[in-house]
Amino acid sequence: IAGITQAPTSQILAAGRRMTLRCTQDMRHNAMYWYRQDLGLGLRLIHYSNTAGTTGKGEVPDGYSVSRANTDDFPLTLASAVPSQTSVYFCASSDRGSNTGELFFGEGSRLTVL
Amino acid sequence: AQSVTQLDSHVSVSEGTPVLLRCNYSSSYSPSLFWYVQHPNKGLQLLLKYTSAATLVKGINGFEAEFKKSETSFHLTKPSAHMSDAAEYFCVVSAPYGNNRLAFGKGNQVVVIP
Repeated sequence: IAGITQAPTSQILAAGRRMTLRCTQDMRHNAMYWYRQDLGLGLRLIHYSNTAGTTGKGEVPDGYSVSRANTDDFPLTLASAVPSQTSVYFCASSDRGSNTGELFFGEGSRLTVL
Repeated sequence: AQSVTQLDSHVSVSEGTPVLLRCNYSSSYSPSLFWYVQHPNKGLQLLLKYTSAATLVKGINGFEAEFKKSETSFHLTKPSAHMSDAAEYFCVVSAPYGNNRLAFGKGNQVVVIP
């Protein structure tokens, strides 16, 4: 089934450790996004990429980095995790050409930083 | 800049009764508006969207929403709630310059009482 695959689905991490959340899509969408979801705050955009080779900062980029070496993959890295980065992380993609705002989401990666 | 307000973070409805989730938006542009649904431990899924065509929009699972520019609203309704409608619902507004400018509401958690 076509869609977005995120890994890991869940992870407990010690503060100060480096962590990469993986995201792969097979829909050949140009644009990809990383959001974090926190109770009472909805979804907040961390980073985005409109096309392979380009990235941009969202609303809450500090402490996170991304890369977009090819169309399908968009990993999110926490260089030195802190407890405030405990959250559920969602990767999403869209067909930028349609500009309809329709996003396709993965099932999320639940990260706990202790 | 655009923003979305969803009142009533938690909504309880009895099975078989109508569902009404309110969404008011603010946008400097002619907006596109969306409702997404998130079932427990899942990613978000598009329920319906308004993109300047018909103001009454029908979505999946019997949901519909009406765009009212004069009231800056995009309320979501369903005539008869089903147990499977228990989920979190997000109203989203989009600016015309790309999906990195989506604004998410904080969500409505819907509980369906048998």
